[in-house]
Amino acid sequence: KNQVEQSPQSLIILEGKNCTLQCNYTVSPFSNLRWYKQDTGRGPVSLTIMTFSENTKSNGRYTATLDADTKQSSLHITASQLSDSASYICVVSAGGKLIFGQGTELSVKP
Amino acid sequence: ETGVTQTPRHLVMGMTNKKSLKCEQHLGHNAMYWYKQSAKKPLELMFVYSLEERVENNSVPSRFSPECPNSSHLFLHLHTLQPEDSALYLCASSSGLPGYEQYFGPGTRLTVT
Repeated sequence: KNQVEQSPQSLIILEGKNCTLQCNYTVSPFSNLRWYKQDTGRGPVSLTIMTFSENTKSNGRYTATLDADTKQSSLHITASQLSDSASYICVVSAGGKLIFGQGTELSVKP
Repeated sequence: ETGVTQTPRHLVMGMTNKKSLKCEQHLGHNAMYWYKQSAKKPLELMFVYSLEERVENNSVPSRFSPECPNSSHLFLHLHTLQPEDSALYLCASSSGLPGYEQYFGPGTRLTVT
């Protein structure tokens, strides 16, 4: 069964600290993996996309990694800001379909 | 803004009401989607339209009725909803069918009383 699982479900960190969000997937055939950021009351916005051959992709303070062998991805946020408070969703494309994780709720406190 | 707009942003309706959600994309895309987002759950794909033709309907109850009059507009007609239908309804568009990147609208927060 195609599945995407994210951890932790929620996370609270202090402003300026780093954090790492995890995404494990069991999908076939794998096409690509995206991380989306969803602010409260808004739709998801794409942060990064990674294909099978890529293992690192950066977008400003966001760095995504992909290990296709272990079927794991992570999203690392450096020097967090209050505006990073949001839900982060891992989405895997497989066989023409998108499989969504349930998201990690990140709260950055001053 | 992502180029996808949704109206209304908030909607409260009774179980016997009929209402419609509207989505418009200004990106020149040819595929549009409706998703349901409930708290603590992954996004659920409801409907997919490609070139104004419905290509996917994921076992959605008939009280939800989509309409795609052209490639820029998508509607979701609602009637006799249940309280468990309360959720955030997201519209998205893409230049092709999944896995092309999808651009999401801000959503309509629906509450069924």
